[in-house]
Amino acid sequence: QKEVEQNSGPLSVPEGAIASLNCTYSDRGSQSFFWYRQYSGKSPELIMFIYSNGDKEDGRFTAQLNKASQYVSLLIRDSQPSDSATYLCAVNRWDSSYKLIFGSGTRLLVRP
Amino acid sequence: DGGITQSPKYLFRKEGQNVTLSCEQNLNHDAMYWYRQDPGQGLRLIYYSQIVNDFQKGDIAEGYSVSREKKESFPLTVTSAQKNPTAFYLCASSPPEGEQYFGPGTRLTVT
Repeated sequence: QKEVEQNSGPLSVPEGAIASLNCTYSDRGSQSFFWYRQYSGKSPELIMFIYSNGDKEDGRFTAQLNKASQYVSLLIRDSQPSDSATYLCAVNRWDSSYKLIFGSGTRLLVRP
Repeated sequence: DGGITQSPKYLFRKEGQNVTLSCEQNLNHDAMYWYRQDPGQGLRLIYYSQIVNDFQKGDIAEGYSVSREKKESFPLTVTSAQKNPTAFYLCASSPPEGEQYFGPGTRLTVT
């Protein structure tokens, strides 16, 4: 079992729809959860981080964390073609807040 | 402007040569990291440093070396011992809270 799992996609949604990206993790000791966006050929860009169970909203983005189910998700409201990218989920290791484990990413396509 | 710079953007080397990738940050972060990304894969940690003059191996340190003589700088050397060096190399830094910020990356091709 991978430590951080994401569906590779592509996830295809029409413009204006809600895109839902999911991530599961195996380490119950993880405390910090991050979502990054990576455009093709570019480096990852931090979108959001979440530490507590529940929802955290920032503009069109909402991160949701459920530690009991070991599940973190990212919702993108009013999806735009410019949101088309690969979204990486990252989780800190139980033994170090400095070390992150990255999933392989979910590719999102927003159709105009 | 605060940020992380990596140079060069593209690097081509012959097999058997060592090569050093530069990473500089002016965010005043103590922690710095090197990752490798292969096509269609997630990021894998090569080395990290939590403080000047100290660094630890990540998951795939074999064939790589680093130094951390200054807070702002964390260069990575890819040695000839690294069996598959062609990859996209990413440097990152973080504040104590843990979120990591990435530089633009260096794409290394070894033939």
